[in-house]
Amino acid sequence: GAVVSQHPSRVICKSGTSVKIECRSLDFQATTMFWYRQFPKQSLMLMATSNEGSKATYEQGVEKDKFLINHASLTLSTLTVTSAHPEDSSFYICSASGFALQETQYFGPGTRLLVL
Amino acid sequence: GENVEQHPSTLSVQEGDSAVIKCTYSDSASNYFPWYKQELGKRPQLIIDIRSNVGEKKDQRIAVTLNKTAKHFSLHITETQPEDSAVYFCAAEVKNAGNMLTFGGGTRLMVKP
Repeated sequence: GAVVSQHPSRVICKSGTSVKIECRSLDFQATTMFWYRQFPKQSLMLMATSNEGSKATYEQGVEKDKFLINHASLTLSTLTVTSAHPEDSSFYICSASGFALQETQYFGPGTRLLVL
Repeated sequence: GENVEQHPSTLSVQEGDSAVIKCTYSDSASNYFPWYKQELGKRPQLIIDIRSNVGEKKDQRIAVTLNKTAKHFSLHITETQPEDSAVYFCAAEVKNAGNMLTFGGGTRLMVKP
């Protein structure tokens, strides 16, 4: 149980375009989803927390207009990187937690974004 | 807020030896402490967690100890195998923040055959 999927697994795009990443909880209802960014050989940096049906809470320094988060259902959250630039290239990982899981977060497989 | 420090940043052991990774946290109200293993290019996977109502938890070759008074917790891996090689992250619950976790900086464990 507690499986989280993420799509796409990798994406290459041109500078200026927008990219949407989906995060799904496959076998549980995710009341909260988290979006992280991870640079090579570094820890997980929390970008934002999203709760189903409400606006996401962004961490300090994360531009909410650049990283749009939607959590429309208990099994799906999306992250859209708008007007992507090379410096947005990174590994983006989502995680999810739900009622039955208490505080535990389960992670998706991540999306490697390369902006040319 | 919560601050988590993790040591060492890299650890190299011989196959069959034990490995210990230590973390300290700042918020005494935190009650939940998971450990994740991340292989290169893969997702972090939960390997063990502990809640503050216990001092130790064991799962086969992996154990976690928690000292709430000192605000530190440790991961112990016994009889290490090459497949244990990965980056390990400790984390601590951020109280009253909806299941948010603060992660340590990670430990790169290398098990030499």
